[in-house]
Amino acid sequence: AQSVAQPEDQVNVAEGNPLTVKCTYSVSGNPYLFWYVQYPNRGLQFLLKYITGDNLVKGSYGFEAEFNKSQTSFHLKKPSALVSDSALYFCAVRALAHQAGTALIFGKGTTLSVSS
Amino acid sequence: EAGVTQFPSHSVIEKGQTVTLRCDPISGHDNLYWYRRVMGKEIKFLLHFVKESKQDESGMPNNRFLAERTGGTYSTLKVQPAELEDSGVYFCASSPDWGTNTGELFFGEGSRLTVL
Repeated sequence: AQSVAQPEDQVNVAEGNPLTVKCTYSVSGNPYLFWYVQYPNRGLQFLLKYITGDNLVKGSYGFEAEFNKSQTSFHLKKPSALVSDSALYFCAVRALAHQAGTALIFGKGTTLSVSS
Repeated sequence: EAGVTQFPSHSVIEKGQTVTLRCDPISGHDNLYWYRRVMGKEIKFLLHFVKESKQDESGMPNNRFLAERTGGTYSTLKVQPAELEDSGVYFCASSPDWGTNTGELFFGEGSRLTVL
């Protein structure tokens, strides 16, 4: 069965420092991988995705993520954190082999707190 | 272009009562999904419509939940009778056809359901 693990409930970083939010996945075949962010009282917003190609993908708000097939990981990173990055981050996966429109499988989320 | 809209944003009901949640997807999006997040847990898939047809309802927890999408436009999710464990945030998401769909889902802000 497909699954996504986000091992950290919370990540705390100081503003200006690099941040990493971890994600590992389990899926049959090649995955589509996604990161979404949820700000307080808002819906989930798409950040970035990996479909194929370059293992390092860049997304919105200066975020990037690195796909590592051997480690089945897709960690979210940002070189310099901002206080406004504080939010709830979700990793999600969908198997390529599935038919059109198949739902995403989400992790439980990681709360990122950036202090000034 | 309007995004995915959900109503109500928050509903507080007593155990045994009925609640109906509504989702209006982005115009032209054939795929519509319902998800639920219980506090601190992962976002769990409930079901997926393609137009008015249920493509996958494997995530529906039990027969107290009924989802409809008459005419392939908006969708409703009814919980009857509600139980305490139904409390959570219900997210709706939509996406276009497979041909133009690289997997990104567009989410509404969610409907928070509290069952007392």
